[in-house]
Amino acid sequence: EDQVTQSPEALRLQEGESSSLNCSYTVSGLRGLFWYRQDPGKGPEFLFTLYSAGEEKEKERLKATLTKKESFLHITAPKPEDSATYLCAVQANAGNNRKLIWGLGTSLAVNP
Amino acid sequence: DSGVTQTPKHLITATGQRVTLRCSPRSGDLSVYWYQQSLDQGLQFLIQYYNGEERAKGNILERFSAQQFPDLHSELNLSSLELGDSALYFCASRSNQQAYGYTFGSGTRLTVV
Repeated sequence: EDQVTQSPEALRLQEGESSSLNCSYTVSGLRGLFWYRQDPGKGPEFLFTLYSAGEEKEKERLKATLTKKESFLHITAPKPEDSATYLCAVQANAGNNRKLIWGLGTSLAVNP
Repeated sequence: DSGVTQTPKHLITATGQRVTLRCSPRSGDLSVYWYQQSLDQGLQFLIQYYNGEERAKGNILERFSAQQFPDLHSELNLSSLELGDSALYFCASRSNQQAYGYTFGSGTRLTVV
């Protein structure tokens, strides 16, 4: 069964304290892995798409990497405005089914 | 503003009632996806429409239905509402040139009392 697991569930960092969020997945053929940011009461905001193992994407203080079994979202020198829930989703390479399988997210709090 | 418009933002209704949630996708996007998000289950895919036709179904209850109209806006109808239907309902749209990234609306918060 296709599955996405994110860890940790919650993470509290001091401003400037770098860390990584994990997204482990099992899927029958990966079409794409997506990272989103969600602020309270708002819709998820697209960050990155990764397609194959070894691929990396960067945006400001965020860097996403992908292996055959997991993805990491590295946060370098975070700021309080990086506080949000970070969601990971995968899309299986299964015909015309465009369904994304979502993790439960990691809630990140960055203290000033 | 993501370009995906959802109305209403908040909805409070009683058990047994029926409500309609509305979504207008980003200009030019043909695909519309509906998701339900609750605290304990995360984002659950409900249904997808592409250019007016149903494309894929997820964990959508029989009490729920949706449609996409010729102008590409979509409506999600929830009937015989139960307390457990209280959740955030998101609509997302996607373009073929978006590297599979979905654009989400700001959601409708449904509270069933």
